[in-house]
Amino acid sequence: GAGVSQSPSNKVTEKGKDVELRCDPISGHTALYWYRQRLGQGLEFLIYFQGNSAPDKSGLPSDRFSAERTGESVSTLTIQRTQQEDSAVYLCASSPRQGARGYTFGSGTRLTVV
Amino acid sequence: AQSVTQLGSHVSVSEGALVLLRCNYSSSVPPYLFWYVQYPNQGLQLLLKYTTGATLVKGINGFEAEFKKSETSFHLTKPSAHMSDAAEYFCAVSKADRDDKIIFGKGTRLHILP
Repeated sequence: GAGVSQSPSNKVTEKGKDVELRCDPISGHTALYWYRQRLGQGLEFLIYFQGNSAPDKSGLPSDRFSAERTGESVSTLTIQRTQQEDSAVYLCASSPRQGARGYTFGSGTRLTVV
Repeated sequence: AQSVTQLGSHVSVSEGALVLLRCNYSSSVPPYLFWYVQYPNQGLQLLLKYTTGATLVKGINGFEAEFKKSETSFHLTKPSAHMSDAAEYFCAVSKADRDDKIIFGKGTRLHILP
C-alpha cells in the first residue's frame, strides 16, 4: 500500500484480557519496527524485524509482549493479560532494506486498558 | 549503546523568532540522525535526516539541522517561527548500518507565542 497501515486505530480492553495489534508495512519494505508511546512520553523501542533474520526483541518490556511477522508483510503485536500501564499508542514503522534511510510510521493504535 | 538527549522538554518562542531545539547524541559508531515532528493527534512525520555528506541538512517547512561530530550534536533550527510549528519534536539516532532500529529522544514540545 501507499503507507503503513495499523489496525485498529483505537482499542479499549479490560484489564487481564489479551489484545492483538496489526501492522501492514509499505510493500517492499523488509524492515518493520514496533514502538510504544505513553502519554507525554517519547517513543520506546519494542521490537524490530529485518527480512528473515532473527528479530531484535530487546525492547519488549515483559514476557506478556510478543510479536510475529509473516515473511516480509503483516506483523501482529500481542499483549497478554493486559495491565493499565500498557495503555499507550503503539506505533509501527517500516523501511526499505537498502538505499536512502526512510522510516515511515503508521498512525498508531491507541490502546486503553480499563 | 546509542542514546539521544534533548535539552528542554518544553520550549516557547514568539511567532517570528528563531527556533532552536537542542539534541545531543551518543554513539560508538557513525550515526544516522533524524528529526521527527508530531502534530497534535497525528502520527510521526520525518522532518529531516543526516546520513552522509553535507553536515547541514535542510528539511520540510523551513527547518534545518547541522551535524557537528566534535560536539556530538544535531540541533534543529528555523529562522522564523510560525504558529503552525507548534508540535512535539523528536531527535533520533541509529547506527550507520542498513535498517538498524532508531533510538528516540524524549521529545521537546514547541510552543509558539503570539
